[in-house]
Amino acid sequence: AQKVTQAQTEISVVEKEDVTLDCVYETRDTTYYLFWYKQPPSGELVFLIRRNSFDEQNEISGRYSWNFQKSTSSFNFTITASQVVDSAVYFCALSGYNFNKFYFGSGTKLNVKP
Amino acid sequence: DTAVSQTPKYLVTQMGNDKSIKCEQNLGHDTMYWYKQDSKKFLKIMFSYNNKELIINETVPNRFSPKSPDKAHLNLHINSLELGDSAVYFCASSQGGTGGKETQYFGPGTRLLVL
Repeated sequence: AQKVTQAQTEISVVEKEDVTLDCVYETRDTTYYLFWYKQPPSGELVFLIRRNSFDEQNEISGRYSWNFQKSTSSFNFTITASQVVDSAVYFCALSGYNFNKFYFGSGTKLNVKP
Repeated sequence: DTAVSQTPKYLVTQMGNDKSIKCEQNLGHDTMYWYKQDSKKFLKIMFSYNNKELIINETVPNRFSPKSPDKAHLNLHINSLELGDSAVYFCASSQGGTGGKETQYFGPGTRLLVL
């Protein structure tokens, strides 16, 4: 069975703080893919990153970084020096053997206050 | 240029009516999807088409019928709308395949409100 858990329902931080959004996944597939999407208040879903199960290298993109650890089945997302524009709901997603079928977590709402 | 577009953006209708939502992608992708996002923001796949063929059909009431006239379009028709159908419906597309081609790109969503 495929499952994604985002235990943090809502997080509030003050601008310039660092924040980490947790994502824990379950899958029996040896090959799988992990994703993060951002849903700002305007409602669209924006793709942020994709990782395959064979690539455990951490990735940094500007203020965003992702930590993939197979040993703990986690794919956490850190925003450094958060900004008000980072306020959004962030979704973690998993696809496995049926790579077309995405399983989304319940999302974490991030509020960044000025 | 809009990559994945949906019309209408908002849809308010009465219970019992039939309505359609249209989706078009200009990314040249082979696979398209429909998702439903409920009031708690939970996203769940409903259908997927690859080159006009249905490849994913989740447990969705048969009042929902997708139609793909060509690989750039995937429409969603809903018969006899119910209050519980109120949600945001997202269309998405992907190249199809692996090695990065499984990444899905989403449209702006259609906010459906059934009164």
